[in-house]
Amino acid sequence: EVQLVESGGGLVQPGGSLRLSCSASGFTFSNYHIHWVRQAPGKGLVWVSRVSSDESPTTYADSVKGRFTVSRDNAKNTVYLQMNSLSAEDTAVYYCARDRDWVIYDYWGQGTLVTVSS
Amino acid sequence: QSVLTQPPSASGTPGQRVTISCSGSSSNIGNNYVYWYQQLPGTAPKLLIYRNNQRPSGVPDRFSGSKSGTSASLAISGLRSEDEANYHCAAWDGSLIGPVFGGGTKLTVL
Repeated sequence: EVQLVESGGGLVQPGGSLRLSCSASGFTFSNYHIHWVRQAPGKGLVWVSRVSSDESPTTYADSVKGRFTVSRDNAKNTVYLQMNSLSAEDTAVYYCARDRDWVIYDYWGQGTLVTVSS
Repeated sequence: QSVLTQPPSASGTPGQRVTISCSGSSSNIGNNYVYWYQQLPGTAPKLLIYRNNQRPSGVPDRFSGSKSGTSASLAISGLRSEDEANYHCAAWDGSLIGPVFGGGTKLTVL
């Protein structure tokens, strides 16, 4: 069974950092690109980033470029999202999702909530 | 403010047919495929329609998608209570060079 499990969310102060993890199982992880998509409370989905199956290239939305870094460890079946210089606008549930195409995400994790507040 | 525009809400009664619109521009819907995701309360999104009108395995044929110009629609026929969810449209945007979503439409089954 394909599973994606996010972790690492929590409360962080403005300007702070957080690292999210997405642990995968049930499929050949190294064959798939992985995306991060976020959803602010009561709002729509917003694409954040994509990491290719072999870690390069990585792509980011303009709103996070220069602040977020996505990486992966195929030996550990895990993708990471390092988030720096966080602001209230980054408050959201962050989902990782498996890529079948740039806009086709066939499996999603349950999400992890990031709250940026003082 | 989302790049694609959806009505915030829609509603219908059981058995009815409802449609949800999604409006964009030439940089996204006008020149690329449209996708739809269903998000049941408290859960992650699920792929409902891909490449304008294709259904993944397991999605009932009550759900259908269409596209015309820079707009797209999701139609749900024979509305059921379990269809109550948020529906999100998405497309590739060639100007932003990334996927874009609508703000989501909350469907209520009365």
